[in-house]
Amino acid sequence: AQSVTQPDIHITVSEGASLELRCNYSYGATPYLFWYVQSPGQGLQLLLKYFSGDTLVQGIKGFEAEFKRSQSSFNLRKPSVHWSDAAEYFCAARMDSSYKLIFGSGTRLLVRP
Amino acid sequence: EAGVAQSPRYKIIEKRQSVAFWCNPISGHATLYWYQQILGQGPKLLIQFQNNGVVDDSQLPKDRFSAERLKGVDSTLKIQPAKLEDSAVYLCASSSLGDEQFFGPGTRLTVL
Repeated sequence: AQSVTQPDIHITVSEGASLELRCNYSYGATPYLFWYVQSPGQGLQLLLKYFSGDTLVQGIKGFEAEFKRSQSSFNLRKPSVHWSDAAEYFCAARMDSSYKLIFGSGTRLLVRP
Repeated sequence: EAGVAQSPRYKIIEKRQSVAFWCNPISGHATLYWYQQILGQGPKLLIQFQNNGVVDDSQLPKDRFSAERLKGVDSTLKIQPAKLEDSAVYLCASSSLGDEQFFGPGTRLTVL
């Protein structure tokens, strides 16, 4: 079955520390992949996307993600976290000819001062 | 450029009542989506419109949920009658065909 898995429900990092949020997908081919961020009471904002080509993609707010076909993964990274990065992060995939997004269950990021 | 607008932002109803949500997409976006986001989960697509036609409503509980986009612009999502398990945030998104989806702020529904 087509699915997106985010294995970490919560992650806590100290401000200034590096961050990696994990995302795995289950699909027979390479999907289009996305990372969204959701702050409390807000809608989802797109951080970055991967369609094809270079497997390291840069996004907004200093985020990047790396697509690894062999691991069916699309992990999100940031070298130095700011307190304003505290939010919920969702990985999503578009897996067929429709434009429907399948979301993971999200990872809540907490930032220690 | 104005974003996706949704109203109301919050709604509290009792079970078996009806409720309606409204969405106005970004101007010119032909594709409109309604997602349901239950607490602790990622959004799940309920229905997708292309202009005023339904592309995908496979996960819409059609015995109680309905949606329309009569003029190919704004859309309404209705629940009648509501159940406790319908408590969720209802997100509307829009896109140009094949492009990035832009999300509205959502409507938080509480069913008591």
